[in-house]
Amino acid sequence: NAGVTQTPKFRVLKTGQSMTLLCAQDMNHEYMYWYRQDPGMGLRLIHYSVGEGTTAKGEVPDGYNVSRLKKQNFLLGLESAAPSQTSVYFCASSYGGGPPTDTQYFGPGTRLTVL
Amino acid sequence: AQSVTQPDIHITVSEGASLELRCNYSYGATPYLFWYVQSPGQGLQLLLKYFSGDTLVQGIKGFEAEFKRSQSSFNLRKPSVHWSDAAEYFCAVGQPLNTGTASKLTFGTGTRLQVTL
Repeated sequence: NAGVTQTPKFRVLKTGQSMTLLCAQDMNHEYMYWYRQDPGMGLRLIHYSVGEGTTAKGEVPDGYNVSRLKKQNFLLGLESAAPSQTSVYFCASSYGGGPPTDTQYFGPGTRLTVL
Repeated sequence: AQSVTQPDIHITVSEGASLELRCNYSYGATPYLFWYVQSPGQGLQLLLKYFSGDTLVQGIKGFEAEFKRSQSSFNLRKPSVHWSDAAEYFCAVGQPLNTGTASKLTFGTGTRLQVTL
C-alpha cells in the first residue's frame, strides 16, 4: 500500500512551458486535492475533486487545470508556466463523507521551479 | 473567514525537554482541527485530529493536543522531545466545501522545531 504518490519529485521549467503533475492513490479514496506550499504562507488549495470525472476550483486556481479521468489519479496541469508558480505542490486524498472520515492524506510533494 | 495562527515561527528545545506548540484558530462553526508534521524534503504526515468529544487528543509519536474552545486554541504538546522530532509542524482547520461533503484545510504558516542535543 503506497498511499499517495506524486511524479515527478522535482522539475525545472522555463517561463511559458507546460507540464503535468501526476498524483496517484491506492486507498480507494473518493476525494482528491491539489495544494501549493509557499514560504510563510502555509498550504493553499488549488483544485479538488469529489469523484471520478468531477473537478472544482479552490482558493488559487488561476493558471492551473486539472483532470480526474480515473478514480485513483488526479492530474494538475500548467499550460504556460510563470515564475509565480514556483512552489512545492502537494496532492492529498480522503474518503470524503465529512468528519470524522474526511481526513486528508498527503503525498511527498513535487518541487517545481519556473525560470 | 476561517484562519489559523501559529505565533511561533521557530522554536528550539533541548532533547528530553517538554514541548508546546501554539495554534489559534478563527472559525464560526464547530472546528475540525488537525496537526501535521513535515520532515525536511518530505510530505505532510498526520499527527492527530480533533472532531468532537474528549478535548485532549492523543496522536502518534507521543504527541497530544488539547482543544480549548474558550481560547480558540489547539496546542500541541509532547512531554519529552527526541532529536528525530525536529521538523516543521502545521496546524490546520477543516471546513466543508460547497460541493458534497469535501472539506478544505486551512493551514497555519507552520512552526519549525529545532532540537539540540
